[in-house]
Amino acid sequence: DQQVKQNSPSLSVQEGRISILNCDYTNSMFDYFLWYKKYPAEGPTFLISISSIKDKNEDGRFTVFLNKSAKHLSLHIVPSQPGDSAVYFCAASDEGSQGNLIFGKGTKLSVKP
Amino acid sequence: DSGVTQTPKHLITATGQRVTLRCSPRSGDLSVYWYQQSLDQGLQFLIQYYNGEERAKGNILERFSAQQFPDLHSELNLSSLELGDSALYFCASSEAHNQPQHFGDGTRLSIL
Repeated sequence: DQQVKQNSPSLSVQEGRISILNCDYTNSMFDYFLWYKKYPAEGPTFLISISSIKDKNEDGRFTVFLNKSAKHLSLHIVPSQPGDSAVYFCAASDEGSQGNLIFGKGTKLSVKP
Repeated sequence: DSGVTQTPKHLITATGQRVTLRCSPRSGDLSVYWYQQSLDQGLQFLIQYYNGEERAKGNILERFSAQQFPDLHSELNLSSLELGDSALYFCASSEAHNQPQHFGDGTRLSIL
């Protein structure tokens, strides 16, 4: 069973607009969440993280929102740029797992000029 | 550049063979993690080492083993290879378990 789900395999957005990527999880023990970006032939690149004691974390154009009651998190990219086109992975871990990450299957974002 | 180095980038071998994948973590990182990414699966956690000791195991087959050496580099050994072992294998490192993991570019393993 998938503990971390990214239900949209793909998303297309116009340059300059907002991109919203969504992620749902089922394990209530998860307390640390991360977003990674992946280009072809490269490893995942860390973007932003959030711990369960917060509901929002911001870093430049990237903001992650966490709704613990809904077991849902989202990544907002504003404004979107063509260079943001990549596969985005949501990941989660819990304190007892020593940090090993459970990944969603990814959402492919295409930002059109 | 994440600072995590994986070698080789590509590996082609036959069923029944044994291979070793190598990972050098970022300078200062004590934790090393191995993940497998197959075509129809997302990234799956295999095993974690911290300062030379195994800390956590995920969905790692008994045919697979790993170790972390005193200089903190790690090796993942895959034996009695099967066609289904064809995948991308990623290594990641972090300062501690509650810190972001930084990934290498992976080793693509193809079993013929």
